[in-house]
Amino acid sequence: DAGVIQSPRHEVTEMGQEVTLRCKPISGHNSLFWYRQTMMRGLELLIYFNNNVPIDDSGMPEDRFSAKMPNASFSTLKIQPSEPRDSAVYFCASSLVLGSDSLRKNIQYFGAGTRLSVL
Amino acid sequence: AQKITQTQPGMFVQEKEAVTLDCTYDTSDQSYGLFWYKQPSSGEMIFLIYQGSYDEQNATEGRYSLNFQKARKSANLVISASQLGDSAMYFCAMREGEGYSTLTFGKGTMLLVSP
Repeated sequence: DAGVIQSPRHEVTEMGQEVTLRCKPISGHNSLFWYRQTMMRGLELLIYFNNNVPIDDSGMPEDRFSAKMPNASFSTLKIQPSEPRDSAVYFCASSLVLGSDSLRKNIQYFGAGTRLSVL
Repeated sequence: AQKITQTQPGMFVQEKEAVTLDCTYDTSDQSYGLFWYKQPSSGEMIFLIYQGSYDEQNATEGRYSLNFQKARKSANLVISASQLGDSAMYFCAMREGEGYSTLTFGKGTMLLVSP
């Protein structure tokens, strides 16, 4: 089975440009997560969708960041305008969350990440 | 206070030896899950092992086992018979609460396996 697919793998852009990162979750998963990884701050959750609905976007840095999930098989993370401090690796992860049963593992499976460099 | 603490920035081990990577956590919830992920130099995040707070036995997955000490709030990863391919960053993560699925990650431990 295909895992989580992210594109592009690498993105180099200039400050002020719009950047769109894409993610295709594992088929059948109902939850999708966007993370950002930097040396200084480690792995941070940006936003979390459940059944295509944003549940928690408290990690989104500011209005320049937006995320959408128009259907169960596709999500985007957009940065407009981009700034050098946005340079990081952005991960998408998906999971199958079944109800509120806390005994379930709800393992998150990660994509390979997009390495973003804003010059 | 940090939710997940990994005190070892780096660890060295010789091939075929066992190694323990430390993880302590902080939560007031009774129900939580603990995860370990591996991040090799290629960058992807690979799920290794899971331990639920109500699990009575320590989790094992092949050469990976989790030394879960609930009273001490520690969930150390043990890798037996280290291989060169085990060289990577290792992250401990926690999910808290009932059905709430977001993870909080530690800063990670870099493991280097030498021949």
